[in-house]
Amino acid sequence: DAGITQSPRYKITETGRQVTLMCHQTWSHSYMFWYRQDLGHGLRLIYYSAAADITDKGEVPDGYVVSRSKTENFPLTLESATRSQTSVYFCASRGEGSNQPQHFGDGTRLSIL
Amino acid sequence: AQSVTQLGSHVSVSEGALVLLRCNYSSSVPPYLFWYVQYPNQGLQLLLKYTTGATLVKGINGFEAEFKKSETSFHLTKPSAHMSDAAEYFCAVRNQAGTALIFGKGTTLSVSS
Repeated sequence: DAGITQSPRYKITETGRQVTLMCHQTWSHSYMFWYRQDLGHGLRLIYYSAAADITDKGEVPDGYVVSRSKTENFPLTLESATRSQTSVYFCASRGEGSNQPQHFGDGTRLSIL
Repeated sequence: AQSVTQLGSHVSVSEGALVLLRCNYSSSVPPYLFWYVQYPNQGLQLLLKYTTGATLVKGINGFEAEFKKSETSFHLTKPSAHMSDAAEYFCAVRNQAGTALIFGKGTTLSVSS
């Protein structure tokens, strides 16, 4: 089915571990985004990508790494997880043009112990 | 600089009452504005958007919003609340570069019978 999927939906890990969150979209959208959602902060942009092999930092990029070798995939890696990175992570995509809406995945709930 | 302020982190209404969720924005470029809704354990869904043209925008589920440039506002309304409208609502504005969205902190809508 067309859409945007995130995996895993839930993840528990320990501080210092590396963890990768996956995001896949089937629309061939050029833009993809990673947000974190925390109580009292709304959604904050971590990284975004305008096309394959083009990525840029958002508001809160520290501690995160992204890559985009294929248009449809945009994985987010926490290289050494910290408790402050416990959050709900959302991936989104949109087509060309800033008037286009973003389409969101269902999120990954990440707990770091 | 771009920013979004949602007045009231929590709004409570009775079923059948008017829903009014407030959003004020700041933008150094012509604003593109969006309202999203989030149900528990789900991603964000687009309710409606304003980019250019008619300032009264109709969206899904009976919601509408009016862009008022002089007041830098984009308030969301629905004439008659339904129990199924209980959710979190986010207002967003495109950033100056047009590459991403800046979200407000959200408003939780509760609907009582």
